[in-house]
Amino acid sequence: SYVLTQPPSVSVAPGKTARITCGGNNIGSKSVHWYQQKPGQAPVLVIYYDSDRPSGIPERFSGSNSGNTATLTISRVEAGDEADYYCQVWDSTSDHPVFGGGTKLTVL
Amino acid sequence: QVQLVESGGGVVQPGRSLRLSCAASGFTFTNHGMHWVRQAPGKGLEWVAVIWYDGSNKYYADSVKGRFTISRDNSKNTLYLQMNSLRAEDTAVYYCARGTTVGRGAFDIWGQGTMVTVSS
Repeated sequence: SYVLTQPPSVSVAPGKTARITCGGNNIGSKSVHWYQQKPGQAPVLVIYYDSDRPSGIPERFSGSNSGNTATLTISRVEAGDEADYYCQVWDSTSDHPVFGGGTKLTVL
Repeated sequence: QVQLVESGGGVVQPGRSLRLSCAASGFTFTNHGMHWVRQAPGKGLEWVAVIWYDGSNKYYADSVKGRFTISRDNSKNTLYLQMNSLRAEDTAVYYCARGTTVGRGAFDIWGQGTMVTVSS
């Protein structure tokens, strides 16, 4: 089945830019979705179809996808952005959704 | 407002059964595929099952295939997950999630989750 690889952790200082990657074989040919999950809460969709933002998600959140890597970029990081982030695609071979292992974003 | 509310979780012995429900409100239920996603304690998200908007297609993760059954009652705006032959490794928070399309796509609305603990 299709495998998505994320770094376990990313650290960034407040006000800086955080980049969280999601690697997969030719992931650029798939649509990538990103979720934010804070402790004790349900996940929230923050980016869908590579780079679209749902209503209510700040413009500081953006996404890109090309080749074998998709990237979630969070600009002007705030303390409230500290959370786990998961990427997700639909695997056309199995016709199943697949999640990455998640990345814990720490705001220093 | 748009909302998903799960119920039915609890503590169950290995080998027993449990049925989860997810009540939807605030949107046209029949326009969306619906999913179950679970998260074991301290672990990442694991997709469990999907049912198409009209119930015509159902897909399962290999880890639950043959043991779990997803269904929906569009007249009641409710999604279900029948879990049989439960194992310790099924212990997790179970979330229902709305798909952005009639089947595939992203998960744009999530419930608050219901905890299932499989233990003797």
